[in-house]
Amino acid sequence: AQSVAQPEDQVNVAEGNPLTVKCTYSVSGNPYLFWYVQYPNRGLQFLLKYITGDNLVKGSYGFEAEFNKSQTSFHLKKPSALVSDSALYFCASPAGTGANNLFFGTGTRLTVIP
Amino acid sequence: EAGVAQSPRYKIIEKRQSVAFWCNPISGHATLYWYQQILGQGPKLLIQFQNNGVVDDSQLPKDRFSAERLKGVDSTLKIQPAKLEDSAVYLCASSLPGLAGRADTQYFGPGTRLTVL
Repeated sequence: AQSVAQPEDQVNVAEGNPLTVKCTYSVSGNPYLFWYVQYPNRGLQFLLKYITGDNLVKGSYGFEAEFNKSQTSFHLKKPSALVSDSALYFCASPAGTGANNLFFGTGTRLTVIP
Repeated sequence: EAGVAQSPRYKIIEKRQSVAFWCNPISGHATLYWYQQILGQGPKLLIQFQNNGVVDDSQLPKDRFSAERLKGVDSTLKIQPAKLEDSAVYLCASSLPGLAGRADTQYFGPGTRLTVL
């Protein structure tokens, strides 16, 4: 079975500080991993994805994610948080080998404090 | 490029009533997905179409939910009759038909928030 887990329901960070939103994965074979963000009353917006290659993936709005095979993690990072980054963040992976639909984590609510 | 369109944005119905949601994917996207997102949870797949054929509907409660994509473009998701536990946001997403298992990027619509009273 393919799955991802987000160990933190809530992350608070001060504006201007670096932020990290954690994700671990359990995927057989080559992992494909995604990050999406959801603002209030909005659908999910794609941030970035890892397929293969560089372990550091750069995405939209200054976000990046680090793929770590030994720790089976794919943490989302940003060097300097903005108040406007406050939202719900989801990690995702294909639901199964050969599947195109995504299995989403439970989400992490990020609050950036001014 | 226009995004995924969904309507209505909000719907309130009483239990045992029926409801329908509409989705128009990004032009050229052959793959269309319907997800259900219950408050406090991540989205869960209900059904996936490739053009007008069903790829995966294993999680669709077929006794009350139905979906179609007759011409391989727009799609409609219906619930009949609705139950209280169907209160959720229904998200439509679309993607290019990439290689199986490659999980091409899915682009989501704004969702329909359904409240069943």
